[in-house]
Amino acid sequence: QKEVEQNSGPLSVPEGAIASLNCTYSDRGSQSFFWYRQYSGKSPELIMSIYSNGDKEDGRFTAQLNKASQYVSLLIRDSQPSDSATYLCAVKHSGGSNYKLTFGKGTLLTVNP
Amino acid sequence: KAGVTQTPRYLIKTRGQQVTLSCSPISGHRSVSWYQQTPGQGLQFLFEYFSETQRNKGNFPGRFSGRQFSNSRSEMNVSTLELGDSALYLCASSLRSQGDSPLHFGNGTRLTVT
Repeated sequence: QKEVEQNSGPLSVPEGAIASLNCTYSDRGSQSFFWYRQYSGKSPELIMSIYSNGDKEDGRFTAQLNKASQYVSLLIRDSQPSDSATYLCAVKHSGGSNYKLTFGKGTLLTVNP
Repeated sequence: KAGVTQTPRYLIKTRGQQVTLSCSPISGHRSVSWYQQTPGQGLQFLFEYFSETQRNKGNFPGRFSGRQFSNSRSEMNVSTLELGDSALYLCASSLRSQGDSPLHFGNGTRLTVT
């Protein structure tokens, strides 16, 4: 069973702080990694995708990938109350034709004004 | 460009009944994936269809089935409903196979089984 693990939280940070969300995965051959944001009562929406080791920045968001440690993280700088949501990590596993995209259970982030 | 459309938004069924959910993907997207979301289990993968073929399947019983039409629209069917099937069912479309391009989710169908 190929797994994606996230700390369920809740993670609480003050407005303006850096929020750090972490995700580990079990399949060493995983190739593609995604972060989705899901507001309460809404469907998930893509924030970032990352495919190679290192950092990828998009505005206030930075995704970090370390394949050797099987670890992917999402940093949110200058956190805003509107960032309060559940953040889902998704990993595409390897395995020939039997690939699939597996989601973690998500981390609930609360940004306090 | 219109997003992913799921119908109906809400359904209430009783145990033993069957239900069909519908999903219209974003125009040009050939892949449609279905997920079940519950508070305890999170997002669980049901299956993916690509060009009318089931490409991959999750660990759900055979009561869960689906299909995709030539216009990429997809339907999901659940037969002999159980109380545990109560969940939010999300459909997502992507340009290429899931994992090769980002998923775009619909608003979901909230199924309640009584």
